[in-house]
Amino acid sequence: GENVEQHPSTLSVQEGDSAVIKCTYSDSASNYFPWYKQELGKRPQLIIDIRSNVGEKKDQRIAVTLNKTAKHFSLHITETQPEDSAVYFCAASTARDDKIIFGKGTRLHILP
Amino acid sequence: EAGVAQSPRYKIIEKRQSVAFWCNPISGHATLYWYQQILGQGPKLLIQFQNNGVVDDSQLPKDRFSAERLKGVDSTLKIQPAKLEDSAVYLCASSPGTGGNTIYFGEGSWLTVV
Repeated sequence: GENVEQHPSTLSVQEGDSAVIKCTYSDSASNYFPWYKQELGKRPQLIIDIRSNVGEKKDQRIAVTLNKTAKHFSLHITETQPEDSAVYFCAASTARDDKIIFGKGTRLHILP
Repeated sequence: EAGVAQSPRYKIIEKRQSVAFWCNPISGHATLYWYQQILGQGPKLLIQFQNNGVVDDSQLPKDRFSAERLKGVDSTLKIQPAKLEDSAVYLCASSPGTGGNTIYFGEGSWLTVV
């Protein structure tokens, strides 16, 4: 079955700097890659997603890139702000069964 | 549009007792998921339903966990008997179920086993 690896597990960046979180997946049939943000005590919320027919997608300060050949995808947050502090999860899914498998998460700290 | 509803939000039980969680997905969503999230970890898929059929339950500890989705709408997840390591947040999620869709999570049911 699908396996999603996520790095780093913890990331601290200075406010205003960029943050990058990387994920790899194992199932070459995976074609949908969402990213979720989870604040303390709250539910995971979708922040951006990308499908396998696209190499990059951007939404304001957030961008995601996908390399199908290497089976890895990354989340980029630019001009980080204090409210970006949270745990971020990547995930991968295949169209054949809609099963969504999550990475272990990255705790992002934005330093003042 | 109403989101995914879950209850109860919080539950504390002693080990070996039983507990049941309820989930009502977003209206019209065919796929329903139950995830277990242990503190500090990512959500782990326990079971996935497509309408009222099970798509995947490979990670469900079937000796103590059971889940059903009668009539393809609401779902219940039961744990009996509970163990200390079952302490976690149980997240229900749903999606339209037509392939590569966003899943939407409920607020979660927080379980503490003492």
